[in-house]
Amino acid sequence: NAGVTQTPKFRILKIGQSMTLQCTQDMNHNYMYWYRQDPGMGLKLIYYSVGAGITDKGEVPNGYNVSRSTTEDFPLRLELAAPSQTSVYFCASIGRRGPYEQYFGPGTRLTVT
Amino acid sequence: GDSVTQMEGPVTLSEEAFLTINCTYTATGYPSLFWYVQYPGEGLQLLLKATKADDKGSNKGFEATYRKETTSFHLEKGSVQVSDSAVYFCAFANSGNTPLVFGKGTRLSVIA
Repeated sequence: NAGVTQTPKFRILKIGQSMTLQCTQDMNHNYMYWYRQDPGMGLKLIYYSVGAGITDKGEVPNGYNVSRSTTEDFPLRLELAAPSQTSVYFCASIGRRGPYEQYFGPGTRLTVT
Repeated sequence: GDSVTQMEGPVTLSEEAFLTINCTYTATGYPSLFWYVQYPGEGLQLLLKATKADDKGSNKGFEATYRKETTSFHLEKGSVQVSDSAVYFCAFANSGNTPLVFGKGTRLSVIA
């Protein structure tokens, strides 16, 4: 198993540009999450999904959109990039049954200038 | 609301020193508690966990005990190594697969 994979690893965007951060997991996990990590801060939840076709907002959803058309994929879309979205983005997944460990991807470092 | 408060960093220790990173939480119900570690340039990895009161999680020489009466889950290691240098995050989940609530992280640097 590759676990949770994310692409790209790094990206620089100009203000107003759009991009999609990709996240894929091959563990057949139902639950998937997007977090952002700002310097010196913990992780804040952006969006999450409890299964294909179902998504819900987290703590900081403004400026982002998600979709979950398959169990494996959970892309995060930035429509109009702003400097406040400069951060490291982590995708995570968890199975339906215990021990409920969240598996994290390696992260995408995004800079908006 | 739900929150985690953990010791501010950075923490710098000499090799073989004793480590404690304090963590307290505010949660509804009886959450599961976790410590995650983030090595430079990497994602988060689960270090240890505890799912009920008085449980002790342990891994790689690290330990933490779920203290319901003090709502705490302090991380300890008796003798740190240079390879333990990383950022440590305390977190909890109110139920098995709900999103984690994270502390701000504590950066640990261990010098030889």
